[in-house]
Amino acid sequence: KAGVTQTPRYLIKTRGQQVTLSCSPISGHRSVSWYQQTPGQGLQFLFEYFSETQRNKGNFPGRFSGRQFSNSRSEMNVSTLELGDSALYLCASSGRTRGTTDTQYFGPGTRLTVL
Amino acid sequence: AQSVSQHNHHVILSEAASLELGCNYSYGGTVNLFWYVQYPGQHLQLLLKYFSGDPLVKGIKGFEAEFIKSKFSFNLRKPSVQWSDTAEYFCAVNSYFGGYNKLIFGAGTRLAVHP
Repeated sequence: KAGVTQTPRYLIKTRGQQVTLSCSPISGHRSVSWYQQTPGQGLQFLFEYFSETQRNKGNFPGRFSGRQFSNSRSEMNVSTLELGDSALYLCASSGRTRGTTDTQYFGPGTRLTVL
Repeated sequence: AQSVSQHNHHVILSEAASLELGCNYSYGGTVNLFWYVQYPGQHLQLLLKYFSGDPLVKGIKGFEAEFIKSKFSFNLRKPSVQWSDTAEYFCAVNSYFGGYNKLIFGAGTRLAVHP
């Protein structure tokens, strides 16, 4: 069974640009969560989508947004990039049933570098 | 706000030594608890999880953890570490109050095992 896949794996952008990252969950999973991992702040929750609806949102500015498609694939977008957005962005999938918590399985991440 | 505290940021052990990594969380309600591991250059992998039942849970590669509700703790243990256990270990909590599939991570513990 294929795991969580994320594309691209590496990305270099300059300040002020925007970026879109993609995540394909494990087949059958309907929940996709996004996390930011940095050396200084560790792993921080960005948001979670379930069946195309955002269920949870972390404490990130509005420049960070996401969406989920009917096939459960998800994208996150960061607009007006700042140097501090350089991080590893992780996607995790879980949950076949609405209203339950479940184990999250992580993808390899997208390493974003902002110059 | 919920938080997860990992007591040791860096641990250095020799092979065959015993390991115990501390994890405490701050939430009094129902929680799901996880330990994830991130080997060098690899993505986050689930080591073990606790949802309910026996508070002593066993995971992969000989790891186990004990949930002590009265102490809000979920410490990770391994009786005899190997060089291949060199990695970063993350404790995480998912509470029903916080919402579904929103993991709060500890800062992580970097374990170095010397041959």
